[in-house]
Amino acid sequence: DTAVSQTPKYLVTQMGNDKSIKCEQNLGHDTMYWYKQDSKKFLKIMFSYNNKELIINETVPNRFSPKSPDKAHLNLHINSLELGDSAVYFCASSQVYNSPLHFGNGTRLTVT
Amino acid sequence: AQRVTQPEKLLSVFKGAPVELKCNYSYSGSPELFWYVQYSRQRLQLLLRHISRESIKGFTADLNKGETSFHLKKPFAQEEDSAMYYCALSLSGNTGKLIFGQGTTLQVKP
Repeated sequence: DTAVSQTPKYLVTQMGNDKSIKCEQNLGHDTMYWYKQDSKKFLKIMFSYNNKELIINETVPNRFSPKSPDKAHLNLHINSLELGDSAVYFCASSQVYNSPLHFGNGTRLTVT
Repeated sequence: AQRVTQPEKLLSVFKGAPVELKCNYSYSGSPELFWYVQYSRQRLQLLLRHISRESIKGFTADLNKGETSFHLKKPFAQEEDSAMYYCALSLSGNTGKLIFGQGTTLQVKP
């Protein structure tokens, strides 16, 4: 089944912890992204990678560190989690820049 | 600054009624615009893009550069159209960056 898959689907953790979200795409796309959807459903880009190279880093706190071991994977590691990090995080990929995005199902992160 | 505005958070219509989801953008460059849709319990997916000039599931959207708008329209709404709709702007320069509007929930009542 070709898709963008991200794990876990739900993540509940306490403030101060470190957690990771994994994303994999088997669509053969060159570009991958992380988007954050806040409580008001507003979607905002965090990072994009093209062929393992960071292209966009959208003024995200450096507690967030994306890692792309290969062009099919883009993981998101978050250090010292804060309450304000609670959101739904979406991974996406596209064939090239400006081509349509294919989204994962999202990871709902709740920081208590 | 680049911005996408969807003024309606919720749009509720009856089945068979026309529907128009508004989208306005602010961008000095050459815009490329998209509509994405998220049905209940499904992933966000592309509905249509302006350069394709196609109709998907009966929806159309025309880019109006004079009014900086890209409204999504359907003449007769169906219950299965109920979903969250996002308008998105792709910036020129091959960054791959998409700027999303706030989203509009479309509720089609029977």
